[in-house]
Amino acid sequence: AQSVAQPEDQVNVAEGNPLTVKCTYSVSGNPYLFWYVQYPNRGLQFLLKYITGDNLVKGSYGFEAEFNKSQTSFHLKKPSALVSDSALYFCAVRVTGGGNKLTFGTGTQLKVEL
Amino acid sequence: DTAVSQTPKYLVTQMGNDKSIKCEQNLGHDTMYWYKQDSKKFLKIMFSYNNKELIINETVPNRFSPKSPDKAHLNLHINSLELGDSAVYFCASSDRMFGGYTFGSGTRLTVV
Repeated sequence: AQSVAQPEDQVNVAEGNPLTVKCTYSVSGNPYLFWYVQYPNRGLQFLLKYITGDNLVKGSYGFEAEFNKSQTSFHLKKPSALVSDSALYFCAVRVTGGGNKLTFGTGTQLKVEL
Repeated sequence: DTAVSQTPKYLVTQMGNDKSIKCEQNLGHDTMYWYKQDSKKFLKIMFSYNNKELIINETVPNRFSPKSPDKAHLNLHINSLELGDSAVYFCASSDRMFGGYTFGSGTRLTVV
């Protein structure tokens, strides 16, 4: 079975400060990891993914994530937050042979304030 | 051109009715999905089709029946709607190479 945990329901950060949204995963096998963002009343938009290779992955809108195999984590980061980054963020994982099934975390609401 | 489109965007209906949600993708992907997002924003997979073949069928009441006439379309039919079916239903598609999904904008179903 595969699972994803996002331990924080909400993260608050001041504009201009760095942000981190946490994600840990549990799989048997090599994980494919993803981050998605959901703005109010919208579908999910892809931010970035880790399949293999460099542990630091860069994605859309200045976001990046670091894959840490020993800690089974894939935290989302951004050096300088913007108010427009305020949204709901989902971490997701899939494994090979799983029918390409993505399992999502419970989501973390990011609030960036002036 | 919308990559994954769902219709309708909003659906309000009475308990006991039967309704359908349609989904179409123009990305050439071979796999399509239905996800349910509840009031707490939890996302749970319901079904997945690969080239018109059902490959994932999670624990979903049999009142829900997916149908894929071709690999670009995946519809969801719901019989005897219940209050607890109220949610946002997302269609998505993926290809084998990318592995991630492209989502539609969702259908907000409200059962009254």
